[in-house]
Amino acid sequence: EVYIVESGGGLVQPGGSLRLSCAASGFTFSGYWMHWVRQVPGKGLEWLSRITNDGGTSWYADSVEGRFTISRDNAKNTLYLQMNSLRVDDTAVYYCVRGEEGGPGNFWGQGTLVTVSS
Amino acid sequence: DLVMTQSPLSLAVALGQPASISCRSSQSLVHHNGNTQLYWFQQRPGQPPRRLIYQVSNRDSGVPDRFSGSGAGTEFTLKISRVEAEDVGVYYCMQGVLLHTFGPGTQLEIK
Repeated sequence: EVYIVESGGGLVQPGGSLRLSCAASGFTFSGYWMHWVRQVPGKGLEWLSRITNDGGTSWYADSVEGRFTISRDNAKNTLYLQMNSLRVDDTAVYYCVRGEEGGPGNFWGQGTLVTVSS
Repeated sequence: DLVMTQSPLSLAVALGQPASISCRSSQSLVHHNGNTQLYWFQQRPGQPPRRLIYQVSNRDSGVPDRFSGSGAGTEFTLKISRVEAEDVGVYYCMQGVLLHTFGPGTQLEIK
């Protein structure tokens, strides 16, 4: 069975940094692109970033380009999101999603809440 | 920027009745590989999203056949043939031609 579990969320001050982790199991992690998607509580979904299965190429939404970095360790079956220069409007639940058929697919974690506040 | 719009933004449907949600993109969603990159997601209350449809009309594994997707170019539709109580939630379309962008979501509730 596929399991995706995010961790690393919490409270951080504006301008601070945080690294999210996403532990995956139940599938060949190195065979799939991976995505990060976030959701402000009570609001809609925002796609943030994706990375190829080998970690060689990544893409970002304009809203996080230059501040966030996606990476992966296929030996550890883990996806990461390094978030720097955090802003209040980065407050959201962050989801890790397995990529399938050209986009975020059918396997999502439960999300980890990031709160940016002074 | 590629903008996704949905209508209606909220929808109340009686059990057993059909429902339809429209999604429009500001640009064609035909990828250079020939596929049309339009996806539909469902988010039930308190749960992470779940993908229902990929590339306009292909149902994901485990998705009931009362859900169907159609459309082409810039206009797309998600239809539920007979709404059930478990269908309550928010439905999002998403494009996959220029990275990814979600629509604003359509809240479905039972009348």
